[in-house]
Amino acid sequence: AQKITQTQPGMFVQEKEAVTLDCTYDTSDPSYGLFWYKQPSSGEMIFLIYQGSYDQQNATEGRYSLNFQKARKSANLVISASQLGDSAMYFCAMREGYTMKTSYDKVIFGPGTSLSVIP
Amino acid sequence: DAGVIQSPRHEVTEMGQEVTLRCKPISGHNSLFWYRQTMMRGLELLIYFNNNVPIDDSGMPEDRFSAKMPNASFSTLKIQPSEPRDSAVYFCATQTQGARNTIYFGEGSWLTVV
Repeated sequence: AQKITQTQPGMFVQEKEAVTLDCTYDTSDPSYGLFWYKQPSSGEMIFLIYQGSYDQQNATEGRYSLNFQKARKSANLVISASQLGDSAMYFCAMREGYTMKTSYDKVIFGPGTSLSVIP
Repeated sequence: DAGVIQSPRHEVTEMGQEVTLRCKPISGHNSLFWYRQTMMRGLELLIYFNNNVPIDDSGMPEDRFSAKMPNASFSTLKIQPSEPRDSAVYFCATQTQGARNTIYFGEGSWLTVV
């Protein structure tokens, strides 16, 4: 079963505008974490932002913010003031299975959203 | 810090040949993941290790695939025999122990099996 869903295969945004990339997830673990990664055309995976399931505040990192709605199991990425360099694939990922006792966890990725920033 | 180092960066091989992909994690990182990325299937988790021990290999597609982590500074992913459908980018990623810690990716090994 798909644990992470990104319903937007492709998105376009005008330069300097804000854009929201959707991510919903499914887990029964009480403790989990959510990541967003960027993959430009060169192929490397770049970490953007992290949200823990117990975090009280939504995570922010510069122009990136995570709109975390725990009850709805959604963790949307908001990019403010889009730049041409933001054109890339964006992946939502989830860590689950972590406990202080086991320290084991696994990180799985969604299918990705391709973002194109238009000048 | 040198980051996660993968080799080879690119490999083209003939069907039936053995392929070995290598990964050197960031020093001090005790979890290591192997992922495969294709257009059709996206990023798939193949296997992950914690403190050099394989924890979950349920993502390994079939017996032709095997992975080892003989010590904290080295891991291999082997495909024997290789098939054209194994063509993909294989990423190694590592992290330190802890619920909040980021995973860091290598640059990937681009494999083409002809």
